[in-house]
Formats: sequence, structure tokens, C-alpha cells
Amino acid sequence: IAGITQAPTSQILAAGRRMTLRCTQDMRHNAMYWYRQDLGLGLRLIHYSNTAGTTGKGEVPDGYSVSRANTDDFPLTLASAVPSQTSVYFCASSANSLGGNEQFFGPGTRLTVL
Amino acid sequence: ILNVEQSPQSLHVQEGDSTNFTCSFPSSNFYALHWYRWETAKSPEALFVMTLNGDEKKKGRISATLNTKEGYSYLYIKGSQPEDSATYLCAFSDNAGNMLTFGGGTRLMVKP
Repeated sequence: IAGITQAPTSQILAAGRRMTLRCTQDMRHNAMYWYRQDLGLGLRLIHYSNTAGTTGKGEVPDGYSVSRANTDDFPLTLASAVPSQTSVYFCASSANSLGGNEQFFGPGTRLTVL
Repeated sequence: ILNVEQSPQSLHVQEGDSTNFTCSFPSSNFYALHWYRWETAKSPEALFVMTLNGDEKKKGRISATLNTKEGYSYLYIKGSQPEDSATYLCAFSDNAGNMLTFGGGTRLMVKP
């Protein structure tokens, strides 16, 4: 593994179903992030984690949850998917959460909720 | 929610043209300003992270300037090439503990 990987690459999901998007990094970065990308709205932060064992809410956290059991993995869960959660989801990481650290992004997961 | 704006939203130029676009951000509590390049079907990649007022950074034909007192940064591309076609994102970080806030991006299309 080099950098950040995300799975699945894309998914079509029925409304009401539960879905977990996976994110793994091998850079031993302390901070990790989940963004959603919607046309005209750029990247919006869903949740973040400053270090293993801690998480925080971003700009648009409702309907999503995260966990950070270890340094490498940061899964994003949609407990009961709704059509408004149709989006492209990007996971990112940085050495730490201080704003001067560049973020490294995964390839994205395209999610469609019907 | 911090207000980070980019202009223009999109830009079409001819190969060989030089171009520039703007990122405006809050002028208080500044910590850092990031520029990312985002090609279609790929992930955003960092171009620059700028932290000092008056800072200028350069990578090949791409350069950026920073004015933290008035809250803006310019990204310049000299002699645009078709491979420069991408969306350019800026992102602002403050020193009040808020996470990085991204602008909506400028989509650049360079015609051969």
C-alpha cells in the first residue's frame, strides 16, 4: 500500500441501508479526515480525527459516524442512507491536524443512494 | 463556518497563455493557506502550503503569493499547457482550532 486507499471505489445503495466506507493509510499520519464533494459546493468536512482514539465533527456530520481504533484506519458509516448522501467521498490524512500540514487524499468513493 | 471564496469559478485559456486566479479568506486568525491541484478522476494533490504574509512559492510554471492582512492569495500559471487543465482548490486554516476550510475551486481548461 502506498499512501491512502479507499474502498469501495463506487457503490449503489438502497435508501435505508447501512454502509461503511473504508479508508486506510500507511504513512503513520496522526490526523485523518472525511470529506464529501458535491457539485458547486467543493469539499466539505464530515468528520475528522486528530489521533487514534479521538474523533470530531466537521461541517456536515449529520447522518454519518466514524471511529478511529488505530492509526491506519478511519471508516465512515452511514447508519441509514438517504438520497441526499449521494456524493463522492474523499478520505485524507496529514502528519498532524495543525493547519500548516498538507493533506494527502485517497482516490475517492462514489456513492449513489436510491 | 469560515468563508473561503475562489474566483473565477471556471476559466478557458489557450495554450501558451498565462493566467491567474484568486482565493479570498478571512483576514483574522490566519494560520495557513493551501493550494491543491485536482485533475479529473484523480485526487487533490498539494501544490503549496503558505504561512507567512508576503510569502511567494513557485513550482515550475506555477507560483502563488499570499497577503494575510487583506485576506487573499493569487495562483499564477505561466505559459499554460493542456496538462494544466484541472480544478485548483485553495483551503484556509485559522489559529482558532478550526479544521481546513476549502473554497469551491477554479476549474481551468487549457485549449491546445
